[in-house]
Amino acid sequence: AQKITQTQPGMFVQEKEAVTLDCTYDTSDPSYGLFWYKQPSSGEMIFLIYQGSYDQQNATEGRYSLNFQKARKSANLVISASQLGDSAMYFCAMREVSNDYKLSFGAGTTVTVRA
Amino acid sequence: DAEITQSPRHKITETGRQVTLACHQTWNHNNMFWYRQDLGHGLRLIHYSYGVHDTNKGEVSDGYSVSRSNTEDLPLTLESAASSQTSVYFCASSSAGASYNEQFFGPGTRLTVL
Repeated sequence: AQKITQTQPGMFVQEKEAVTLDCTYDTSDPSYGLFWYKQPSSGEMIFLIYQGSYDQQNATEGRYSLNFQKARKSANLVISASQLGDSAMYFCAMREVSNDYKLSFGAGTTVTVRA
Repeated sequence: DAEITQSPRHKITETGRQVTLACHQTWNHNNMFWYRQDLGHGLRLIHYSYGVHDTNKGEVSDGYSVSRSNTEDLPLTLESAASSQTSVYFCASSSAGASYNEQFFGPGTRLTVL
């Protein structure tokens, strides 16, 4: 079964607007972490933000915030005030303590920011 | 600055040949990972290691092997390359233990098997 599901293969967003990337996960482990990575066209993987399963507050890092809804098993990434440089592929990933701390990745969402 | 490097960055080989992709990290991380990235699949784990002489199979390990003789390096070997192994390969590393430890990724190796 797919552990991480990203249902939006591609999205367009206008510059300076906010965009939400969906991520749902499947786990029975009470202890896990959720990560978002950015992959620009140059190919490197850039860590953006982390949310732990026991964290009470949603994680934020600059223009990135994670909308963590534990009961719904969702961890959506919100990018505020989009910039042209945000155009990239975005991956959601999960690490479970019961799974040896390995990362499971979703298929990714491509974001294109329009001027 | 600490980093993780991969070589070569691009490789073209023929079916049946043995190929080794290098991964070197200077973070002094115990954990190292190899992934392949294919369209529609995200990143899938091939092999991983939690320390010297430790290696483990990931979800797509068939046709691949790794060895860990020191902390810094985890080379990935394709024993007999197949066209299905044409992909982009990423190496990653992380420090041991806590679930919040992010993985740091290398720049990737694009492998084409003809």
